[in-house]
Amino acid sequence: SAVISQKPSRDICQRGTSLTIQCQVDSQVTMMFWYRQQPGQSLTLIATANQGSEATYESGFVIDKFPISRPNLTFSTLTVSNMSPEDSSIYLCSALSGLSTDTQYFGPGTRLTVL
Amino acid sequence: GENVEQHPSTLSVQEGDSAVIKCTYSDSASNYFPWYKQELGKGPQLIIDIRSNVGEKKDQRIAVTLNKTAKHFSLHITETQPEDSAVYFCAANGARTSGTYKYIFGTGTRLKVLA
Repeated sequence: SAVISQKPSRDICQRGTSLTIQCQVDSQVTMMFWYRQQPGQSLTLIATANQGSEATYESGFVIDKFPISRPNLTFSTLTVSNMSPEDSSIYLCSALSGLSTDTQYFGPGTRLTVL
Repeated sequence: GENVEQHPSTLSVQEGDSAVIKCTYSDSASNYFPWYKQELGKGPQLIIDIRSNVGEKKDQRIAVTLNKTAKHFSLHITETQPEDSAVYFCAANGARTSGTYKYIFGTGTRLKVLA
């Protein structure tokens, strides 16, 4: 299985600022994803991070608000831009195991609070 | 659209009893069904999965059953222990049109094992 780390683990930010979350995988993986999990809720896919090209966003999420980078096969970043209190959430990175095209492994998450 | 329903939303059992969580999916093209356990402050952890060519899979105290005709699958935990207390999520992979690597998550079940 892939081991995934995220930085920061948590942050408290002011309205109007931006935060970049980093995701590192311990092995090369085919696909990486970013999810949002609002308090007490399920996971919602924000986008698929594509290596070497623009991310693929799900309905309701746009690049200007959630720019994503994936410069190589083991690393990705998600930026939450121009934050508002509604962006307070847990942001999770996941990756498809290189051994399986189906199994996703998740990072520990980044807990974001926007004041 | 694609949808996964999960029941119950909360479940309390006495230590040593069994727990069953049920999910129903909408898209008959889904062929991979993972289950995740999420403890407080952590990311989801894969605990078991099943593919559509198998009706049941077991791993120690955990088992998953799949009924393709009825489009539902269930998680069974036997001899529950306090450390099984967590939120459990089922998921189904997406249809070919949206990408089979994408997951649709259930709404989660909060399991409490009472000592």
